[in-house]
Amino acid sequence: QVQLQESGPGLVKPSGTLSLTCAVSGGSISSRNWWNWVRQPPGKGLEWIGEIYHSGSTNYNPSLKSRVTISVDKSKNQLSLKLSSVTAADTAVYYCARDGGSSSDGMDVWGQGTTVTVSS
Amino acid sequence: DIQMTQSPSSLSASVGDRVTITCRASQSINTYLNWYQQKPGKAPRLLIYAPSSLQSGVPSRFSGTGSETDFTLTIASLQPEDFATYYCQQSYSTPYTFGQGTKLEIK
Repeated sequence: QVQLQESGPGLVKPSGTLSLTCAVSGGSISSRNWWNWVRQPPGKGLEWIGEIYHSGSTNYNPSLKSRVTISVDKSKNQLSLKLSSVTAADTAVYYCARDGGSSSDGMDVWGQGTTVTVSS
Repeated sequence: DIQMTQSPSSLSASVGDRVTITCRASQSINTYLNWYQQKPGKAPRLLIYAPSSLQSGVPSRFSGTGSETDFTLTIASLQPEDFATYYCQQSYSTPYTFGQGTKLEIK
């Protein structure tokens, strides 16, 4: 079955750029799914960051849109997240998740999450 | 953005109890509503989508209903492994948004 694995630096300096990757195994990133990034600040709820289709089409949360770039690398079967000009408010667990195939299906596969702390 | 409001924010219940969590959308989302369970230190797990379809592998004691703006998640008979935080999420339009969560605790 499809598995997702996030990776990237656990510590990012303020004003820097957060860069994470999500490796897809057991399936193809070119399948008929959208691929999402979701984050969760410590002790708080879930926030949707954005999504990408293998064609490169993206949708972003307007609250982050000016700072976010999500991309896909089909040769490596992975997606990436870049978040620029980070502050302490961007400290969170970052998850990648797969849409089930249509917008009515929910996010049915999640990575285990990676913790990113923004601090000098 | 579509606002999702869950109630209650926290709930104490006992093993064997029947529990209902509600989720209200700030505008109609048709049936584009999903429910997730999250345990401490773990990723969310999809329980129910669209909003009454049970995700594969999820026990049948979980059920969901609703349409337009009002939705419910019901756990028919609480088991020890059900104590967790539950989130609703709308997938009607981007930005997708989640409810604030309902923490289900043991009484």
